[in-house]
Amino acid sequence: AQSVTQLGSHVSVSEGALVLLRCNYSSSVPPYLFWYVQYPNQGLQLLLKYTTGATLVKGINGFEAEFKKSETSFHLTKPSAHMSDAAEYFCAVSAWGSQGNLIFGKGTKLSVKP
Amino acid sequence: DTAVSQTPKYLVTQMGNDKSIKCEQNLGHDTMYWYKQDSKKFLKIMFSYNNKELIINETVPNRFSPKSPDKAHLNLHINSLELGDSAVYFCASSSGPAGRFNSPLHFGNGTRLTVT
Repeated sequence: AQSVTQLGSHVSVSEGALVLLRCNYSSSVPPYLFWYVQYPNQGLQLLLKYTTGATLVKGINGFEAEFKKSETSFHLTKPSAHMSDAAEYFCAVSAWGSQGNLIFGKGTKLSVKP
Repeated sequence: DTAVSQTPKYLVTQMGNDKSIKCEQNLGHDTMYWYKQDSKKFLKIMFSYNNKELIINETVPNRFSPKSPDKAHLNLHINSLELGDSAVYFCASSSGPAGRFNSPLHFGNGTRLTVT
């Protein structure tokens, strides 16, 4: 079985500051990991994903995440926050044999201050 | 040319009523899903269909019944609506066969259901 824990339900940063959103996962088999972003009144959009291969994955809008198996983590970062990054961010995990059941974390709301 | 479209966007109804939410995807995906997002933004899968066949059926009241007339459509019918059904319901789709899930989900914009 898989599970996801997102540390911090709300993160606030200043415009131009580093964004760090934390995600830890639990999986009995090699995981597939995803970050999604949800803007107000919209559905979720894929930011990036890790399946196999390079552990540092780059996504849209300047975001990237690093898969660290030893730490069971998949933290999301962006060097410089922009006002338009304010949204809800969800980490998710799935795995081979899971029949496509994507398990989501509880989300982290990112606020960006001018 | 919306990839995953849901209708209606908003649905306000009274307890005890029956309502349906429709979903269509034009991505050619084989797998479709219904997720429920509660007031705390928590997302939980309800159902998943692969090529019109039900493959995931989480612990959901029998009042919820999905129907997939073809692989591009997955509708959700809810009988005898209750206050606790109020939430945002998201339809999603993905490519790839069931059991090999490394394909991302493509979400619709959601249907906000309010039961009064």
